[in-house]
Amino acid sequence: DAGVIQSPRHEVTEMGQEVTLRCKPISGHDYLFWYRQTMMRGLELLIYFNNNVPIDDSGMPEDRFSAKMPNASFSTLKIQPSEPRDSAVYFCASGDWGQGGEKLFFGSGTQLSVL
Amino acid sequence: SQQGEEDPQALSIQEGENATMNCSYKTSINNLQWYRQNSGRGLVHLILIRSNEREKHSGRLRVTLDTSKKSSSLLITASRAADTASYFCATDSLYNQGGKLIFGQGTELSVKP
Repeated sequence: DAGVIQSPRHEVTEMGQEVTLRCKPISGHDYLFWYRQTMMRGLELLIYFNNNVPIDDSGMPEDRFSAKMPNASFSTLKIQPSEPRDSAVYFCASGDWGQGGEKLFFGSGTQLSVL
Repeated sequence: SQQGEEDPQALSIQEGENATMNCSYKTSINNLQWYRQNSGRGLVHLILIRSNEREKHSGRLRVTLDTSKKSSSLLITASRAADTASYFCATDSLYNQGGKLIFGQGTELSVKP
């Protein structure tokens, strides 16, 4: 299994631009999570999905952030418009709680820099 | 707000020594998990302990859980330079729908050869 795949690995953009981060979870996993990591705030849970349905988006900072999961093998996190304070590492993770897995498998992350 | 808080924030030891990291949390949990993160990489699951368990072992890892004190500790025995990483505890709250893991701020471990 290739694990959780995130793209791009690095993204540098200018303030005001739209940014789209992509994630392919491990096949068969029924949960998908988006986390953001910064030195100041640590690892923050932004949103998570169960069977492609958003369950809890209370961690999404504001309306500039949106996430979708159109099918079981793909999810996107979009920031529009981006701001310098959005600079962080964004992680996607998947898990198979439905099958009693109860642990997360993380992707390598997307390092986002907003100038 | 963060559910778990790790202590210490940073720990530096010599190879061969034991490393102990602590985690405190706020609400009742289903389970508590420990993850490791190497610099520039994603987190990797190490071990899970359920709320009805008090101690668990996996190789050189030993995890304890005290639900009355809402705390856990991770012990790495006979540390190696390759253990250098950040270690995070994560809690699965009893009050959340399954799968919602909240991570602490982490302990940065440095093992010197």
